[in-house]
Amino acid sequence: KQEVTQIPAALSVPEGENLVLNCSFTDSAIYNLQWFRQDPGKGLTSLLLIQSSQREQTSGRLNASLDKSSGRSTLYIAASQPGDSATYLCAVRSNDYKLSFGAGTTVTVRA
Amino acid sequence: GAGVSQSPSNKVTEKGKDVELRCDPISGHTALYWYRQSLGQGLEFLIYFQGNSAPDKSGLPSDRFSAERTGGSVSTLTIQRTQQEDSAVYLCASSFLAMSSYNEQFFGPGTRLTVL
Repeated sequence: KQEVTQIPAALSVPEGENLVLNCSFTDSAIYNLQWFRQDPGKGLTSLLLIQSSQREQTSGRLNASLDKSSGRSTLYIAASQPGDSATYLCAVRSNDYKLSFGAGTTVTVRA
Repeated sequence: GAGVSQSPSNKVTEKGKDVELRCDPISGHTALYWYRQSLGQGLEFLIYFQGNSAPDKSGLPSDRFSAERTGGSVSTLTIQRTQQEDSAVYLCASSFLAMSSYNEQFFGPGTRLTVL
């Protein structure tokens, strides 16, 4: 069974600082890994998807890396803004179709 | 449609009543998924549809839970004889293809179910 862990559980930074969010998974046989953002009381917004053959994926201020052999992914958010405050979820798709989620990292960016 | 839609957005029911939750996926998406997000449990997979068939129902918590999909589009998740532990946010997602390495799942806003 795939286990996904996200560290830290919560993070508070001043505006402008770079954010580093960590995700680890136990089974390296994955199809892909997805990072999501969830605002309070809302659904999930897909941020980035990294296929198993990729090492990283970038979108604007977001960059996600994947080291499949060590079971790790890192989401970097550059020059954080108060609007980046949310819970960030990592989800791994193993050799089937369902996503296994971490518990999330709740980010607060202080103005 | 532009995104995955779910209805109702909120549902309050009494213990023992049946409820139906609806999901309308993105047009053209053949795969549809139901997940549940509850306090202390995180996000857990419930069921997956490819077209109208459900190859994997392994995540359904009990036989009180059932789901169907018609016309390869709208799906309904039904919970019979609701219990307080069923209180959670039920999220629906869809994707263009399931068995593909590029399989991005897009989520709806969820239905918040409260069982009194």
